[in-house]
Amino acid sequence: DAGVIQSPRHEVTEMGQEVTLRCKPISGHNSLFWYRQTMMRGLELLIYFNNNVPIDDSGMPEDRFSAKMPNASFSTLKIQPSEPRDSAVYFCASSFSGRGHEQFFGPGTRLTVL
Amino acid sequence: QQQVKQSPQSLIVQKGGISIINCAYENTAFDYFPWYQQFPGKGPALLIAIRPDVSEKKEGRFTISFNKSAKQFSLHIMDSQPGDSATYFCAATNNNDMRFGAGTRLTVKP
Repeated sequence: DAGVIQSPRHEVTEMGQEVTLRCKPISGHNSLFWYRQTMMRGLELLIYFNNNVPIDDSGMPEDRFSAKMPNASFSTLKIQPSEPRDSAVYFCASSFSGRGHEQFFGPGTRLTVL
Repeated sequence: QQQVKQSPQSLIVQKGGISIINCAYENTAFDYFPWYQQFPGKGPALLIAIRPDVSEKKEGRFTISFNKSAKQFSLHIMDSQPGDSATYFCAATNNNDMRFGAGTRLTVKP
């Protein structure tokens, strides 16, 4: 199994630009999570999907952030417009069933907003 | 708001020593308590997990001790090795909620 796949692995962009991060969960997993990790705030859950439906988006910082899961094998996290404070490592994770089970994390996308 | 308090923030242990990391939670409805290990430049990976029906779980050198009444659980790494140097996160979850600890950076000196 290929594990959770994220792209790109690194992204450098200018302030104000749109950024799209992509995730392919493990086949057969019905839950998908987007996290942000920074030194200051640690690992933060941004949004959680179950069966392609957003269940908990209380961690999404503001309207500049949006996430979609059009099908069971693909999700995107979009930031528009990006700001320097969005610089972080963004992880996607998937699990077999919900929050109460092991999560498999992708390698992350390191985002730098100049 | 953080509902899982993890300590210490950082830990330095000599090779062969015991590493102990502690977590405390508030929500008694949590029913799954995993520990994740993260190496630099990598995503977290499940190390070991426990459910509240047992008080201890051991896998190799790694042991979780769980105290339901105190709402605390801890990770013990026996015979710590330099290769164990990583950041460790505890978590407390159920199907309705999930909280991560702030992480502990463990350094094992040769």
